This record gives sequence, structure tokens and C-alpha cells, in this order.
Amino acid sequence: GENVEQHPSTLSVQEGDSAVIKCTYSDSASNYFPWYKQELGKRPQLIIDIRSNVGEKKDQRIAVTLNKTAKHFSLHITETQPEDSAVYFCAARGQAGTALIFGKGTTLSVSS
Amino acid sequence: EAGVAQSPRYKIIEKRQSVAFWCNPISGHATLYWYQQILGQGPKLLIQFQNNGVVDDSQLPKDRFSAERLKGVDSTLKIQPAKLEDSAVYLCASSTRGFSGNTIYFGEGSWLTVV
Repeated sequence: GENVEQHPSTLSVQEGDSAVIKCTYSDSASNYFPWYKQELGKRPQLIIDIRSNVGEKKDQRIAVTLNKTAKHFSLHITETQPEDSAVYFCAARGQAGTALIFGKGTTLSVSS
Repeated sequence: EAGVAQSPRYKIIEKRQSVAFWCNPISGHATLYWYQQILGQGPKLLIQFQNNGVVDDSQLPKDRFSAERLKGVDSTLKIQPAKLEDSAVYLCASSTRGFSGNTIYFGEGSWLTVV
């Protein structure tokens, strides 16, 4: 089955800096890659996603890139703000009809 | 639109006791998932339903966990008997279909502490 590895486990940046979180997946059939943000005690919320027929997607300060050949995808947050502090999870979905498999999460801390 | 509803939000039980969690997915969502999230880890799939049929329960500890989705809407996850390592947040999620590319929406979770 699918396996998703996520790095780093913790990331500390200064306000205004960029943050990059990387994930790799094992199943070459995977074709959907969402990113979720989870604040303390809250539900995971989708912030951006990318499908395998697209190499990059951007939404304001957030972007995701996908390298299907290398089986890895990354989340890029520019001009970080304190409210970006949270745990971020990457996920991958394999064959049609299967559930999302999540990485272990990255705790992002943005200090002002 | 209303989100995924879960109850209870918090539960503390002693080991070997039983507990049940309830989930009401977003209206019209055919696919329902139960994930277990242990503190400091990512959500781990326990079971996936498509309408009222089980799609994947390969990671459900069937000796103690059970789940059902009657009439293809609400779902219940039961643990009996509970172990200390079952302490976690149990997240219910739903999506319109189980096909690739459909957004999964999570509930607020049911926090279980086993003492």
C-alpha cells in the first residue's frame, strides 16, 4: 500500500521568511496530493491540493509542487505570518476509491 | 453547509471498558472514513465506507474495534475492550465519492483518554 514520508518534523522560521515542507510517496499510482493544516485542538483543514496531471499550483502565499518521477511533493509558504503556526500534514491517495494516507506532520512555528 | 458532526467530543474511560463514537457526515457524501490520530502523529485510516459497504478495513483492529454505517448515512465506531494505547483523537471524515481528487472534510474529532 501507499506510504508517505514527511520532513522536517519541526520547522521554526522568522515572520516574513519562507517555509518548505517536503513529502515523498511510494505508490506510483497515486494521483491526488492534498495538504492539511491543523491548529491545536482543531480539525485538519484542507489548504491546497494538487493532482498528478499538474506540476505546480499556487494560492496566494501557498504553493505546492509535484515531481511524479521522483515521487515527491512540497508545500511552500512565503511571507510567513504568526497565524501560519500549526501542524501541516501532507497526504496521498492511491488508486481510485482508496482513502488518503497521511504523513506524520510538520510543526511549523513562526516567530515575530 | 453543515460540516461533519461527531459526538461525544471528549471521553475518559478505564481500560477494558467500552466506548462508542457517532458521526454524521456532510449531507450527500457517500464516502465516510474513520481515522485515528495519536498525539504527535498523522491521521491513520481505520475504516472506509462507501454508502453502507466497507471499502477498506485492513487497519482496523477487529478484535476490539467495530464500525457500522447503517442506511449509508450515520456511522458508529465502537471500542471494546479499550486499551491504554487507544488513547487518541478519532476523526470522522466524509467526501462526495471515494474517487481520486475528491476533497475529504473532517469533523472536530472525538478525544478518547483511556486510564
